[in-house]
Amino acid sequence: NAGVTQTPKFRILKIGQSMTLQCTQDMNHNYMYWYRQDPGMGLKLIYYSVGAGITDKGEVPNGYNVSRSTTEDFPLRLELAAPSQTSVYFCASSYGRNGEKLFFGSGTQLSVL
Amino acid sequence: DQQVKQNSPSLSVQEGRISILNCDYTNSMFDYFLWYKKYPAEGPTFLISISSIKDKNEDGRFTVFLNKSAKHLSLHIVPSQPGDSAVYFCAARGGGSGNTGKLIFGQGTTLQVKP
Repeated sequence: NAGVTQTPKFRILKIGQSMTLQCTQDMNHNYMYWYRQDPGMGLKLIYYSVGAGITDKGEVPNGYNVSRSTTEDFPLRLELAAPSQTSVYFCASSYGRNGEKLFFGSGTQLSVL
Repeated sequence: DQQVKQNSPSLSVQEGRISILNCDYTNSMFDYFLWYKKYPAEGPTFLISISSIKDKNEDGRFTVFLNKSAKHLSLHIVPSQPGDSAVYFCAARGGGSGNTGKLIFGQGTTLQVKP
């Protein structure tokens, strides 16, 4: 059972470039989330989804977009990369809305130079 | 506005002793609290949780205490082991209708357990 899989693990972008962080889960979870973690800071919610076709903004959505066409996949899109988006990105999923069983991927380390 | 705060960035304890990690929150609507543990180069993993209707929850060496009047919770690890060395995040879930399970995380506390 793979759980939550994120790709890539590392990426360096130039300012203004775009990219998609991939996230897939094989647990048939309805809820999926994208968080970012900056040094010395907690995890900040970027976007979340409560099911296929439904997405909503979290605390820090600016500069990002998401889509949820299937239950399994929840990609995060950066359109015009900026140095402020240098961070570690975590995708997570849960069966329901309770949050106590949030399963995280191993993260993507992104640097924008 | 940091709704969940972990004011100690780091903590160092001796193996076998007790580790106490603290967390404060400001929003009285939070109805569920969780602790996550994170090793380097890995995602956080769920450790233990507590509902706002309880004041204590225990799971093996880990106990979480909740003081609602003080808006404070703590995680006790007894006895501490070197394998407990990790970053610990406190998280809170907003209550009320329309809740979608979103969690608000503290900044994390790095625990080092020395052999």
